[in-house]
Amino acid sequence: QQQVKQSPQSLIVQKGGISIINCAYENTAFDYFPWYQQFPGKGPALLIAIRPDVSEKKEGRFTISFNKSAKQFSLHIMDSQPGDSATYFCAASMRVTGGGNKLTFGTGTQLKVEL
Amino acid sequence: NAGVTQTPKFQVLKTGQSMTLQCAQDMNHEYMSWYRQDPGMGLRLIHYSVGAGITDQGEVPNGYNVSRSTTEDFPLRLLSAAPSQTSVYFCASSYGLYEGQYFGPGTRLTVT
Repeated sequence: QQQVKQSPQSLIVQKGGISIINCAYENTAFDYFPWYQQFPGKGPALLIAIRPDVSEKKEGRFTISFNKSAKQFSLHIMDSQPGDSATYFCAASMRVTGGGNKLTFGTGTQLKVEL
Repeated sequence: NAGVTQTPKFQVLKTGQSMTLQCAQDMNHEYMSWYRQDPGMGLRLIHYSVGAGITDQGEVPNGYNVSRSTTEDFPLRLLSAAPSQTSVYFCASSYGLYEGQYFGPGTRLTVT
């Protein structure tokens, strides 16, 4: 049972275009929603994250839109560049007993930005 | 800071063998975790720790053991390797609840 559903599985965008990746969750206990970027042969790296008390967060060309009532959030990459070609994972986090948090990941989106 | 380090980078095991994947971090993070990454399945949490001496199970803990005797180290033990454990394993650490997790470079494990 996938607690965080991510789409699309793959995406091809022209250079300068907008890349949009969507995620949906069911568990309302999730309270932190990060996005990770992963290049081949590397570990995931935190890209941007949002708490559910805000509807949008922007960092440079990357924006998270968050819809709490629909339990959906999305990543927008503006002015997509070939260097953005990577796999993107959404995730949702909840608190665990004793402190800390537990991350549940989506299945990933392979983005290719073409010239 | 070296960040999160993992050894080995690659490992091939025969079915039934045991081994330990090493993970260390030098950021004084309390929270550490182990994930496995399989094609089309994202990253799945195996075990996690919220501090030295405290560990708990994640989503897919069967066949794996962990312990956390120091803040810096969080080894993952495969007790009796099975082909289903062929995967890429990532260790991660973070400072607090709403801090992003820092991932290591991964260990690619093949069980034949």
